[in-house]
Amino acid sequence: GAVVSQHPSRVICKSGTSVKIECRSLDFQATTMFWYRQFPKQSLMLMATSNEGSKATYEQGVEKDKFLINHASLTLSTLTVTSAHPEDSSFYICSAREIRTATNEKLFFGSGTQLSVL
Amino acid sequence: QKEVEQNSGPLSVPEGAIASLNCTYSDRGSQSFFWYRQYSGKSPELIMFIYSNGDKEDGRFTAQLNKASQYVSLLIRDSQPSDSATYLCAVNMRGAGSYQLTFGKGTKLSVIP
Repeated sequence: GAVVSQHPSRVICKSGTSVKIECRSLDFQATTMFWYRQFPKQSLMLMATSNEGSKATYEQGVEKDKFLINHASLTLSTLTVTSAHPEDSSFYICSAREIRTATNEKLFFGSGTQLSVL
Repeated sequence: QKEVEQNSGPLSVPEGAIASLNCTYSDRGSQSFFWYRQYSGKSPELIMFIYSNGDKEDGRFTAQLNKASQYVSLLIRDSQPSDSATYLCAVNMRGAGSYQLTFGKGTKLSVIP
């Protein structure tokens, strides 16, 4: 099946620093990528929808100036957590939709990034 | 607020038994439904998807959908210890073409050898 590569898998940083997470579709083109956040024992919460070549659409309550999303190509989307604080510590997961599909079963997830802000 | 509800568990079943996982959703207009398996610290893996009322079988897994009751379930036959994971129910609540899923909190399944 299609592969979505996400890295880093784990990052520990000091409060106030910025962290960039990359999500790549390795063997397919993804016009749309989604970024989720998951706190322990909670469900995946959609943060934003990223469309190649256009601005991301953020869900209500997600600060677009804090979580910067760039989807510059059909195979790469990045999420930058700016001025990270301990409350941003979470598991961040991206997913990508294969360009030729019309149904959700072709939505592929990255392996996730565990962010810990000290 | 559109929601997907699942019993958080843990649900414990003996090896070889049938595990039954349930999910309800609030948006009556939802069209597509998914079950994902997530191991601790890992990303979700698609197990089943279903669009029409009734049952859909794939190997040891059967998804059941009842749109009138806004209810979807996942049955795992001949449960194995390797099936121990958290199972996430996901619903596309925004209609065909949106590709945005709303996830439940997940049910933790433990298969006892």
